[in-house]
Amino acid sequence: SQTIHQWPATLVQPVGSPLSLECTVEGTSNPNLYWYRQAAGRGLQLLFYSIGIDQISSEVPQNLSASRPQDRQFILSSKKLLLSDSGFYLCAWSVTGGAGPYGYTFGSGTRLTVV
Amino acid sequence: AQSVAQPEDQVNVAEGNPLTVKCTYSVSGNPYLFWYVQYPNRGLQFLLKYITGDNLVKGSYGFEAEFNKSQTSFHLKKPSALVSDSALYFCAVRDGYGNNRLAFGKGNQVVVIP
Repeated sequence: SQTIHQWPATLVQPVGSPLSLECTVEGTSNPNLYWYRQAAGRGLQLLFYSIGIDQISSEVPQNLSASRPQDRQFILSSKKLLLSDSGFYLCAWSVTGGAGPYGYTFGSGTRLTVV
Repeated sequence: AQSVAQPEDQVNVAEGNPLTVKCTYSVSGNPYLFWYVQYPNRGLQFLLKYITGDNLVKGSYGFEAEFNKSQTSFHLKKPSALVSDSALYFCAVRDGYGNNRLAFGKGNQVVVIP
């Protein structure tokens, strides 16, 4: 069966520090991968999505970046965090080609607080 | 592009009463429709989906949803709400061709009052 792992669960970082959040998927090949941010427990903002290794699209210009060094690994990074980067970050995957009949499967999320 | 509207910010319901969370959508072609639930500080969990077939679909935890093509709606329902149903609920849609990513609604906070 397929599983998605996301870590860390919580993170407190000072302004200006770097960020690295990791997401890995097991039990499937060539998944589509997504990074979302959720502010104040409400709507989902799509940040990045990837259809393959080193194939990443950015939805929102900001000081975050994403990388996909391996087929089932998706990393969200920042060189210098801002206070506005605080939020709940969610990784998700779907089958190759996008949201087929199974939709997306989400990780458990990372609560990032920038202080 | 596909889109989803969840018109209510919060739904309050007494425990034991019926629960309805509204969702309307806009797509090209036949939609794939999904409901997800999110508990505090957790990821979204799949509840149910409509792809084709019967308009009434049943999902996890006693939830069901009715697909209404003429009204472009996919409302989530539960006959008798539990306090444990208090959570954030998201409706999502993808269209039948073209853009194969999900579009999510803004989410509805459901509060079940004991």
